Amino acid sequence: GAVVSQHPSRVICKSGTSVKIECRSLDFQATTMFWYRQFPKQSLMLMATSNEGSKATYEQGVEKDKFLINHASLTLSTLTVTSAHPEDSSFYICSAPRGATREKLFFGSGTQLSVL
Amino acid sequence: ILNVEQSPQSLHVQEGDSTNFTCSFPSSNFYALHWYRWETAKSPEALFVMTLNGDEKKKGRISATLNTKEGYSYLYIKGSQPEDSATYLCAFNAGNNRKLIWGLGTSLAVNP
Repeated sequence: GAVVSQHPSRVICKSGTSVKIECRSLDFQATTMFWYRQFPKQSLMLMATSNEGSKATYEQGVEKDKFLINHASLTLSTLTVTSAHPEDSSFYICSAPRGATREKLFFGSGTQLSVL
Repeated sequence: ILNVEQSPQSLHVQEGDSTNFTCSFPSSNFYALHWYRWETAKSPEALFVMTLNGDEKKKGRISATLNTKEGYSYLYIKGSQPEDSATYLCAFNAGNNRKLIWGLGTSLAVNP
């Protein structure tokens, strides 16, 4: 089956630093990548949708200047949390569809970000 | 506001027991309903994508049904095994934009 590799799996950083999270599709071309965030005891919430070669689409309430998304190739999408603050501490996970709009998603394994 | 509800929140069963969980979603503007299985420290894994009212899908000992008119889907596990222990998530797709609204999941623990 399709595989999405996400790293790092865990990051601890100081407030004010930037953190980059990478997601790679290993055996298929991901023209679209969904970036989700999950706070404790809450459901997965879509942050943004990245599309290869074009600007990402951000969900309401998600600051595009804080969460920079780059999807420069068909196999790599990155999310950079800029000037991270403790309230950005969360679980971030990417997923990519493969095929038609009703196709299942293939997920990375997630990144647990802790900002001190 | 679109809301997806899953019940129960958690479940403990003995090996060999059969079990089922519920996913409730808005009955209007239905496009698709997804079920995923998420084991701790692993990636969520797709089980089913269901699109038609009355759909029934099966994968091994796991099956799912769909009622789009009343807005619910059931996931069944027959003869639960310890390796079935995971969180089972459902997600509702209201339109042709691939945006999914997720439930909180049902956490299943199967005791050997």
